[in-house]
Amino acid sequence: EVQLVESGGGLVQPGGSLRLSCAASGFTFDDYAIHWVRQVPGRGLEWVSGISWNGRSAHFQASVQGRFSISRDNGKNSLYLQMHGLRPEDTALYYCVKDTRSTVTIRNGFDMWGQGTMVTVSS
Amino acid sequence: SYDLTQAPSVSVSPGQTATITCSGNKLGDKYASWYQQQSGQSPVLVIYEDNKRPSGIPERFSGSNSGNTATLTISGTQAMDEADYYCQAWDGDTAFFGGGTKLTVL
Repeated sequence: EVQLVESGGGLVQPGGSLRLSCAASGFTFDDYAIHWVRQVPGRGLEWVSGISWNGRSAHFQASVQGRFSISRDNGKNSLYLQMHGLRPEDTALYYCVKDTRSTVTIRNGFDMWGQGTMVTVSS
Repeated sequence: SYDLTQAPSVSVSPGQTATITCSGNKLGDKYASWYQQQSGQSPVLVIYEDNKRPSGIPERFSGSNSGNTATLTISGTQAMDEADYYCQAWDGDTAFFGGGTKLTVL
């Protein structure tokens, strides 16, 4: 069974840092790009960041560029999102999402989603 | 930034055809994907690369994309299809989602 399990969410003060993790199983992890997508409860989806199969290519949404970094450890089948300078508008449920392809192209879709980990930025 | 526009809500009677649209500048030159999100659940990919169905997705789900509009069509809509539907496309190396359409099966 394909599974993506996120962890690391929690309550953090504005300006603080947090590291999210995603443990993958049930598929060949290093064959696929992986992404983070977030959703404010009751609102729409917002892509945050994605990383290619080998970790050499990373992409970010403009609002998190320079504050967030993404990495992966293919030996551990794990994905990470390091978040710095957190803002209240970063408050959301963060999903770990598997890509249909190994690198980011205009064809890509997101074919497996975890259950998400909640990040709350508040004083 | 790349804007994808969806109607907030669509209603359909059981057994009828539901049509959900997504508009974006020259969207037909890109590829559209569609996601179904049922209440309290994580999204599920139902269409990718405009018109491809992942394994396990019923044949009643189909997609098209031309000009400025991508369309998700659900034929013979069932009560279980009631959900939020999001379109998604890439602009360069950034992914964008539409605001979502709530499909109500009356």
